[in-house]
Amino acid sequence: GAGVSQSPSNKVTEKGKDVELRCDPISGHTALYWYRQSLGQGLEFLIYFQGNSAPDKSGLPSDRFSAERTGGSVSTLTIQRTQQEDSAVYLCASRKTGNNEKLFFGSGTQLSVL
Amino acid sequence: GQNIDQPTEMTATEGAIVQINCTYQTSGFNGLFWYQQHAGEAPTFLSYNVLDGLEEKGRFSSFLSRSKGYSYLLLKELQMKDSASYLCAVRNSGNTPLVFGKGTRLSVIA
Repeated sequence: GAGVSQSPSNKVTEKGKDVELRCDPISGHTALYWYRQSLGQGLEFLIYFQGNSAPDKSGLPSDRFSAERTGGSVSTLTIQRTQQEDSAVYLCASRKTGNNEKLFFGSGTQLSVL
Repeated sequence: GQNIDQPTEMTATEGAIVQINCTYQTSGFNGLFWYQQHAGEAPTFLSYNVLDGLEEKGRFSSFLSRSKGYSYLLLKELQMKDSASYLCAVRNSGNTPLVFGKGTRLSVIA
């Protein structure tokens, strides 16, 4: 597609439920990132996929968070047993390989945990 | 540790010039990026610096001093549409994820 696509754009869930957030990166982009943005906070790195390499999961806040990237394209971020502190905007970004290649962000998923 | 500091908020007048500063202390350095984010929208790329000096792109310029761990974004001839958050981000090395500051919310007033 023309840009990074994320769905849903908004998700309201009850505490304790599981949620899945989807990211469709720009075609041909080998690197895919998930970030989280809470009100008044900067973008917090969660996880990074690069080609066929093992993902960098160093930013995941707990074992309730996991992500997959199937076929080197679409990625799904899963949050199990959601908590109120998980409420945030979850942003996906992709880029080509190369040091100065910029990130292209999706519009994000606004997650609200009640 | 890694730390990126930028002012929380700034206000400037339409038509004026504003400079948004960013200082960083990171474990490595392989480039500094500035992004613009309008409320409720995705961040969009503005500039990239990896060598010392000034990069100019239209009304926007970005400066880097690696020895001082310092960058600034300069916006000239401010327009109302420039009201947004401006995010400073550093890449430590290679393809590692960008580390972002908390952003500077700029309000342009008439």
